Amino acid sequence: GQQLNQSPQSMFIQEGEDVSMNCTSSSIFNTWLWYKQDPGEGPVLLIALYKAGELTSNGRLTAQFGITRKDSFLNISASIPSDVGIYFCAGQINAGGTSYGKLTFGQGTILTVHP
Amino acid sequence: DAGVTQSPTHLIKTRGQQVTLRCSPKSGHDTVSWYQQALGQGPQFIFQYYEEEERQRGNFPDRFSGHQFPNYSSELNVNALLLGDSALYLCASSGDWRGGELFFGEGSRLTVL
Repeated sequence: GQQLNQSPQSMFIQEGEDVSMNCTSSSIFNTWLWYKQDPGEGPVLLIALYKAGELTSNGRLTAQFGITRKDSFLNISASIPSDVGIYFCAGQINAGGTSYGKLTFGQGTILTVHP
Repeated sequence: DAGVTQSPTHLIKTRGQQVTLRCSPKSGHDTVSWYQQALGQGPQFIFQYYEEEERQRGNFPDRFSGHQFPNYSSELNVNALLLGDSALYLCASSGDWRGGELFFGEGSRLTVL
């Protein structure tokens, strides 16, 4: 089945540093989404990408949809302590096929920010 | 505008028991999906409901079943609980069953002893 490889698995950074994480797949996705999950809570949507090559920003977050539609990356600039959490990429097929709406998630990147 | 709400937030069951989890979607959403998230893992798709029907199903046994009501709320039922069913069960809603942005609830933490 489809799998997403997310890296790195964990990151330990100093406050103010920039962060980059990525996600690759053996399959093509039509939509890439990035979520953040805090302990004991559900994932919160950060950014949604709908077109190959698309670069989208949300405050200090920037994400790109890879040209091959098999990868995506997320950058966080000038990290702050509240950026701590687990970041998940998720791919979705929503044009043709039989997997409408289903999300396939990566394993997550655990981000720790030292003040 | 209420987001996705789930109940209960925590529950403990023993092996062989049955459990029902409930979800109310975000206002204006008509599609509900359920995901299972084991500790340290990303969420895994269980199934999706739209127009009160199961539209898609992930790789989960028939012990996992669901229902969607006319008001779009949904239930997840798990029968004959196993220790391995211990997980965070997440409900997600969207406004288009074909895809787009999914919004998640805070989850129901199930512990099977």
